[in-house]
Amino acid sequence: AQTVTQSQPEMSVQEAETVTLSCTYDTSESDYYLFWYKQPPSRQMILVIRQEAYKQQNATENRFSVNFQKAAKSFSLKISDSQLGDAAMYFCAYRSAYYGGSQGNLIFGKGTKLSVKP
Amino acid sequence: DVKVTQSSRYLVKRTGEKVFLECVQDMDHENMFWYRQDPGLGLRLIYFSYDVKMKEKGDIPEGYSVSREKKERFSLILESASTNQTSMYLCASNLMTGGARNEQFFGPGTRLTVL
Repeated sequence: AQTVTQSQPEMSVQEAETVTLSCTYDTSESDYYLFWYKQPPSRQMILVIRQEAYKQQNATENRFSVNFQKAAKSFSLKISDSQLGDAAMYFCAYRSAYYGGSQGNLIFGKGTKLSVKP
Repeated sequence: DVKVTQSSRYLVKRTGEKVFLECVQDMDHENMFWYRQDPGLGLRLIYFSYDVKMKEKGDIPEGYSVSREKKERFSLILESASTNQTSMYLCASNLMTGGARNEQFFGPGTRLTVL
């Protein structure tokens, strides 16, 4: 069974600085998808960025980028120029590409709470 | 924009009550999911459904049941609420097709307190 580990329960960053959130996963599959979701306080969970395992190029979305190391099974999220609105819980998630039944479900890490200091 | 709505943001119930949590999505998604979110435990899948009247157990189905009579609506039922079911409940939906573009869209959550 696949597992997702976020080893940092809490992180803090100064406004305008850069922070990296860690995520490792365990799988025997070769094709899968990885996601970072953001859950602001009392607000809906939204997708931040996604990565396809067969793509070597790291995904980027504006100030958000990932460092995807397939051999190391690592998928970290880098937030550049941190803003107060980035304060949230961040969840790393895995989904098998072999879609069917429960294999299509997301497997979540336990989350990292990011605080942004003004 | 995809909209996933949940019937209540906050709910307080008593031990032993039957509790219904409702979720509605407006994007004709085949798949719908119920998660439970607890501090330090992340999101855990309770049940999911990939079609009307179809359901499959997730990781923690004990004490819960679900109903999907219409494609857009997925209900989570606590037959006899207990204090250990106090939690945040999140509903999500997505299309049946795979691919990285097929993200799950989440509702705002229902914070349930069982006294």
